[in-house]
Amino acid sequence: AQSVAQPEDQVNVAEGNPLTVKCTYSVSGNPYLFWYVQYPNRGLQFLLKYITGDNLVKGSYGFEAEFNKSQTSFHLKKPSALVSDSALYFCAVRDVVNYGGSQGNLIFGKGTKLSVKP
Amino acid sequence: ETGVTQTPRHLVMGMTNKKSLKCEQHLGHNAMYWYKQSAKKPLELMFVYNFKEQTENNSVPSRFSPECPNSSHLFLHLHTLQPEDSALYLCASAGLAGGGTDTQYFGPGTRLTVL
Repeated sequence: AQSVAQPEDQVNVAEGNPLTVKCTYSVSGNPYLFWYVQYPNRGLQFLLKYITGDNLVKGSYGFEAEFNKSQTSFHLKKPSALVSDSALYFCAVRDVVNYGGSQGNLIFGKGTKLSVKP
Repeated sequence: ETGVTQTPRHLVMGMTNKKSLKCEQHLGHNAMYWYKQSAKKPLELMFVYNFKEQTENNSVPSRFSPECPNSSHLFLHLHTLQPEDSALYLCASAGLAGGGTDTQYFGPGTRLTVL
């Protein structure tokens, strides 16, 4: 069965420092991987995704993620954190089992709270 | 804004009330989703509609009743809810017309409180 794990409930980073939010996955076949961000009292916002191609994916707000097939990881990174990056981050993988056409369901991790201090 | 709107943004209801949540997408998508987000729990997929047809119901209690009259609108009808149903209810849509295959775009959610 497809699954995704975010091993950290919370990540604390000082402003200006690099940040990493971890995600590992388990899928049968090629993975489709996503990162979303959720600010307080808001819905989820799409950040970036990996479908195929270059292992380093660049997304919104200066975020990027590196697909590592051997480690089954898709960690989210940013070279220099901002206080405004503080939010809840979700990793997701497309559910191949329930794949229907091009709208396969997403399986989400439990989320990682990122706190960036000034 | 993501092109997915939800109303109302906040709803307080008693256990005997009947209310409805509304979702509308302006992205030309053909798939729409309802999710439940509770504190300290993973996002729970509730229902999926593809071209107005329900393709998934994740063992959701019958007190939640979805309706999809067309590809742009999705409703969640609520009746005789329980306090544990209090949560943020998120709507999402996806489709080839969007940002690419499989990307789901979310609305801002409806914060539901059941007294």
